Amino acid sequence: QVQLEQSGAEVKKPGASVKVSCRASGNSFGIYDINWIRQGAGQGLEWMGWMNPASGHTVYAEKFQGRVTITRSPSLSTAYMELSSLRSEDTAVYYCAGSDSSSYYEPWGQGTLVTVS
Amino acid sequence: IVMTQSPDSLAVSLGERATITCKSSQSVLHSSNSKNHLAWYQQKSGRPPKLLIYWASTRQSGVPDRFSGSGSGTDFTLTISSLQAEDVAVYYCQQYYNSPSTFGQGTKLEIK
Repeated sequence: QVQLEQSGAEVKKPGASVKVSCRASGNSFGIYDINWIRQGAGQGLEWMGWMNPASGHTVYAEKFQGRVTITRSPSLSTAYMELSSLRSEDTAVYYCAGSDSSSYYEPWGQGTLVTVS
Repeated sequence: IVMTQSPDSLAVSLGERATITCKSSQSVLHSSNSKNHLAWYQQKSGRPPKLLIYWASTRQSGVPDRFSGSGSGTDFTLTISSLQAEDVAVYYCQQYYNSPSTFGQGTKLEIK
């Protein structure tokens, strides 16, 4: 069973960038597309972007265009999400989640808390 | 596509039925596969969401059969037939008909 393991919590200053990693267990990298979804404190779920690990092709939500970059390292079975020009409103838990093309999300990483303060 | 759930919160007695509805601003029934591109998730405090239902009514492997999904087009329902204590959570619907995928605002389910 594929598992996604994310990097640890981060604290950043306004204006800085953060890079969160998402590693797929075993030899499962590439089985799923990787999505990044965030959740503010007490808030709902917001899709940020998607990557096909095989091709590296990405699609970003319009809201985050120009601020978010999703990349991958196949040799490390890891996907990355970098968010720049951080502001307090970006304080949230960031999840990676697998999907079969543009589909429902399963599995999910455990989440990474990013605090901008 | 805007997803709207109701109610925002719900309190149900143990063993009773819980019903959550989700309405999409446009149909999520795709003509290419005749499937509704609608999923339901359960999120417990401090945990990532867990997939319960996809294609509007297909239960994910390992999900208890007290959870069921129904509906088509723009109107969908998640039903828990007999509420258990471990079902306390926030429930979300999600459309994956088009990009960007969007979620409902969530429904908080508690024990009465």
